[in-house]
Amino acid sequence: AQKITQTQPGMFVQEKEAVTLDCTYDTSDQSYGLFWYKQPSSGEMIFLIYQGSYDEQNATEGRYSLNFQKARKSANLVISASQLGDSAMYFCAMRERRISSGSARQLTFGSGTQLTVLP
Amino acid sequence: AAGVIQSPRHLIKEKRETATLKCYPIPRHDTVYWYQQGPGQDPQFLISFYEKMQSDKESIPDRFSAQQFSDYHSELNMSSLELGDSALYFCASSFTGTSQETQYFGPGTRLLVL
Repeated sequence: AQKITQTQPGMFVQEKEAVTLDCTYDTSDQSYGLFWYKQPSSGEMIFLIYQGSYDEQNATEGRYSLNFQKARKSANLVISASQLGDSAMYFCAMRERRISSGSARQLTFGSGTQLTVLP
Repeated sequence: AAGVIQSPRHLIKEKRETATLKCYPIPRHDTVYWYQQGPGQDPQFLISFYEKMQSDKESIPDRFSAQQFSDYHSELNMSSLELGDSALYFCASSFTGTSQETQYFGPGTRLLVL
């Protein structure tokens, strides 16, 4: 089963408007982290925002906020006041709990949402 | 602020050749990850190292190997290259001393196998 599901392959938004990118996840762990990354056409992967499973408040970073609904297992990214430079692929990713002390935990990514900001 | 450095940025190889990708993590980061992103796909985890020891590994071809050195830089070696190995290869690093353990990605190495 998919651990991270992004149901919107493509989204369009008018410049200066807000847009919500959907992400649902599946895990049986109680401790996990959720991340959003932006990948412009140039290819780099840029970290945007993080939400921990135990965080009671929704994360915010400038124009980015995360609408975290734990019971629904959703972690939607909200971008306010969209800019032309926001046009990119956006990936939701999850890091599950560490197996043992000292072991790294990789990210599992969704399939991404291609956002296009219209002038 | 220092970022993850990857070299080379672009690499063109022939089938059956060998490629070596290098990664220099952010200073003081103790964990390095390698991901492969095929065209139009999401990044897929390959292998990771924590404090220079292999930590996690997905089912990757035996043709792929990696190591982390005493200065924490890492190298991904791919032998007997196949056309399907053409992809964007990311290195990421993180510090396990924080609850977030955010992985910061390098710019990637774009490998083209002809």
